[in-house]
Amino acid sequence: EAEVAQSPRYKITEKSQAVAFWCDPISGHATLYWYRQILGQGPELLVQFQDESVVDDSQLPKDRFSAERLKGVDSTLKIQPAELGDSAMYLCASSYPGQGGTEAFFGQGTRLTVV
Amino acid sequence: AQTVTQSQPEMSVQEAETVTLSCTYDTSESDYYLFWYKQPPSRQMILVIRQEAYKQQNATENRFSVNFQKAAKSFSLKISDSQLGDAAMYFCAYRTISGYSTLTFGKGTMLLVSP
Repeated sequence: EAEVAQSPRYKITEKSQAVAFWCDPISGHATLYWYRQILGQGPELLVQFQDESVVDDSQLPKDRFSAERLKGVDSTLKIQPAELGDSAMYLCASSYPGQGGTEAFFGQGTRLTVV
Repeated sequence: AQTVTQSQPEMSVQEAETVTLSCTYDTSESDYYLFWYKQPPSRQMILVIRQEAYKQQNATENRFSVNFQKAAKSFSLKISDSQLGDAAMYFCAYRTISGYSTLTFGKGTMLLVSP
């Protein structure tokens, strides 16, 4: 069964260091989402890609966060420098776009702890 | 922008009983998708049930069913014959069909199931 792959599963980093997360969506899914989820709360969208293009990054803290999906397949989310408040679960999801798709499929997430 | 509201931070139910989780949303669109996702502790987000807005018939999946009231913008989830394995965070989500398929989540409802 096709799955969204994310790595690493867990990451501990020191404040002010750089950290990167990787996501490989389900094959054929043009839409890719990165969400941040604080413990006990709902996922909040950071960035959404349609193929290799960013279509929504309005909630991405662009002074420290960056995201890319160079070939329209896998994606990397980077934080530099990390801050204590960035500790959260980072979820990647993918779906078919528009009326051709329905639900988004989620990876297992990367739990980030900044110390 | 679309918003999704879950007004019940936590709900409790006994095994074999029925529980209903509430969700309301705000949108100006006429066609969209609604979802309920389940997130067990430290586990992956998975789809429970989905509803297409153009369908008047309420979706059902085994013990899970929804009450979709389009005019009231209400989308509640009913879990019948609750089981211990149903204990999880439940998220209501809204997805546009037009444009770039934005997926917006509520803050979640923690469901506790007691023997």
